[in-house]
Amino acid sequence: AQSVTQPDIHITVSEGASLELRCNYSYGATPYLFWYVQSPGQGLQLLLKYFSGDTLVQGIKGFEAEFKRSQSSFNLRKPSVHWSDAAEYFCAVVPRGSNDYKLSFGAGTTVTVRA
Amino acid sequence: DTAVSQTPKYLVTQMGNDKSIKCEQNLGHDTMYWYKQDSKKFLKIMFSYNNKELIINETVPNRFSPKSPDKAHLNLHINSLELGDSAVYFCASSQALADTQYFGPGTRLTVL
Repeated sequence: AQSVTQPDIHITVSEGASLELRCNYSYGATPYLFWYVQSPGQGLQLLLKYFSGDTLVQGIKGFEAEFKRSQSSFNLRKPSVHWSDAAEYFCAVVPRGSNDYKLSFGAGTTVTVRA
Repeated sequence: DTAVSQTPKYLVTQMGNDKSIKCEQNLGHDTMYWYKQDSKKFLKIMFSYNNKELIINETVPNRFSPKSPDKAHLNLHINSLELGDSAVYFCASSQALADTQYFGPGTRLTVL
């Protein structure tokens, strides 16, 4: 079955430390890949996306993600976390070649930043 | 200017009532969506409209009825509200199917 998985439910990281959030997908063809962030009480904001081309994608707020076809992964990284990065992070996919292009979300990873 | 807006932001109502949530986008996009986020923060698509035509209709109870009067608006009407309808509902829009989706701030619905 097609799915997108975020293995880490909750990650705690110190301010200034690096952050990596994992995302794995299970689709026949590489889907379109997205990372969204949801700050407390807010809507979702797109951090970055991957459709094709360079496998290292730069996004907003200092985030980047790397697409690895061999691992069916699209992990999100940030070299130095700020307190304002505390939020819920969602990996999402849209399958290629479908008729409806549904955006399917992973379960999310909650990031807590400690001082 | 807010790109995707929703009203109301909060909605508290009794079981059995009928309520509507409105969504408007000023991005000139052709496609709009409704998502439901449950208490565990899991997001699932409910509906999608492209040029006012229903494209996606997930297994949502027929108490939920989307209405798109024009490309800039996609409203969600819910009849006979149930406790399980309590959730945050997000509207989103994109230029076309498979394009980046832009989300509204959400409407927190609480059914008592």
